[in-house]
Amino acid sequence: AQSVTQLDSQVPVFEEAPVELRCNYSSSVSVYLFWYVQYPNQGLQLLLKYLSGSTLVKGINGFEAEFNKSQTSFHLRKPSVHISDTAEYFCAVSDPDNYGQNFVFGPGTRLSVLP
Amino acid sequence: SAVISQKPSRDICQRGTSLTIQCQVDSQVTMMFWYRQQPGQSLTLIATANQGSEATYESGFVIDKFPISRPNLTFSTLTVSNMSPEDSSIYLCSLNPGQGGGYTFGSGTRLTVV
Repeated sequence: AQSVTQLDSQVPVFEEAPVELRCNYSSSVSVYLFWYVQYPNQGLQLLLKYLSGSTLVKGINGFEAEFNKSQTSFHLRKPSVHISDTAEYFCAVSDPDNYGQNFVFGPGTRLSVLP
Repeated sequence: SAVISQKPSRDICQRGTSLTIQCQVDSQVTMMFWYRQQPGQSLTLIATANQGSEATYESGFVIDKFPISRPNLTFSTLTVSNMSPEDSSIYLCSLNPGQGGGYTFGSGTRLTVV
């Protein structure tokens, strides 16, 4: 079964600094990869996804992620964060070869952007 | 991408009662998924709801506690039965990511049991 690791449970960073949120997954077979953001008291919003093609994926709000198959990683980056980026970020995987496969989520990383 | 309408958005319920959560999709989808997000935690899959058959539950979740209906290809409900404070969570529905479901989630139902 797939599993997702997010090594950092909390990441504090100052405003306008760069940030990287790490995500590793367990499977070496083909996967779909996702990053979701959850703002306080809100639902999940899709930031970006990797299905195939270019390993560098650009998402909304200036975020991007790079798929690294050899390292089974899908780290999320932003070159300059804003206070409004403070939220919980979840990495998720899905198996495209398994019809009906659900998402498997990582434990989440709480990003706190400090003034 | 498909659009999911989920309701209620939040509710406060008395222990021992039941709450039914609804998800309506604006297109036909074969599978829908129900997740639970306990306070401060990640999302855990409760069950997979396939139209025309009984839902498939994950380990730790049972039909008597979380009955699911899937009467057609655009609608599903999850009932949280005989609630206790431990059921206080956010409940979310989503679609099959591999079937053009758009990778979207319902807006979630924030349940508080008192």
